[in-house]
Amino acid sequence: GQQVMQIPQYQHVQEGEDFTTYCNSSTTLSNIQWYKQRPGGHPVFLIQLVKSGEVKKQKRLTFQFGEAKKNSSLHITATQTTDVGTYFCAGSTTSGTYKYIFGTGTRLKVLA
Amino acid sequence: ETGVTQSPTHLIKTRGQQVTLRCSSQSGHNTVSWYQQALGQGPQFIFQYYREEENGRGNFPPRFSGLQFPNYSSELNVNALELDDSALYLCASSASGGGWLDTQYFGPGTRLTVL
Repeated sequence: GQQVMQIPQYQHVQEGEDFTTYCNSSTTLSNIQWYKQRPGGHPVFLIQLVKSGEVKKQKRLTFQFGEAKKNSSLHITATQTTDVGTYFCAGSTTSGTYKYIFGTGTRLKVLA
Repeated sequence: ETGVTQSPTHLIKTRGQQVTLRCSSQSGHNTVSWYQQALGQGPQFIFQYYREEENGRGNFPPRFSGLQFPNYSSELNVNALELDDSALYLCASSASGGGWLDTQYFGPGTRLTVL
């Protein structure tokens, strides 16, 4: 079945360093969403990408959707301790039953 | 906060029992999706309800069933509980009829433990 993988699984960075997580789908996606989940919390929507090659920025966060719409990335510049959490991508597909497939997640720890 | 509420917060059941989890969607949202999140994993899509009808289903057995009510609130029912059903159950509401451009707003979840 369709799978969405993320790498790395874990990332520890020093505060101020950059961080990137990559999301790869086994099938072409209609769109992709990114979520952040703090420890003990629930996923919080960050952004949605729809177009091939799309790049969106939110302050220190940069999101990219691949040209083939099978991969995406999230880059955080100059991490802060408030960036701690697990970042999930979630892709949707119009093949078969509509549903969102969440990635495996990347857990980010920021060391002060 | 998203305005999506879930009850109960925590629940402990034994194998073979049945459980009902509840979700109230955000005001103005007509679509509710349910997800199962095992510890250390990403949320897994169970099913979605739109206008009181099931609008999509993931790879979960029929003992996982749901309802949506006219006020768009929803229930998730799980029969014949198994140990592997222990997880955080999340509901997410959205406003656009379950279309693929929907933004989903998650509730705080119900932590189910099956002993």
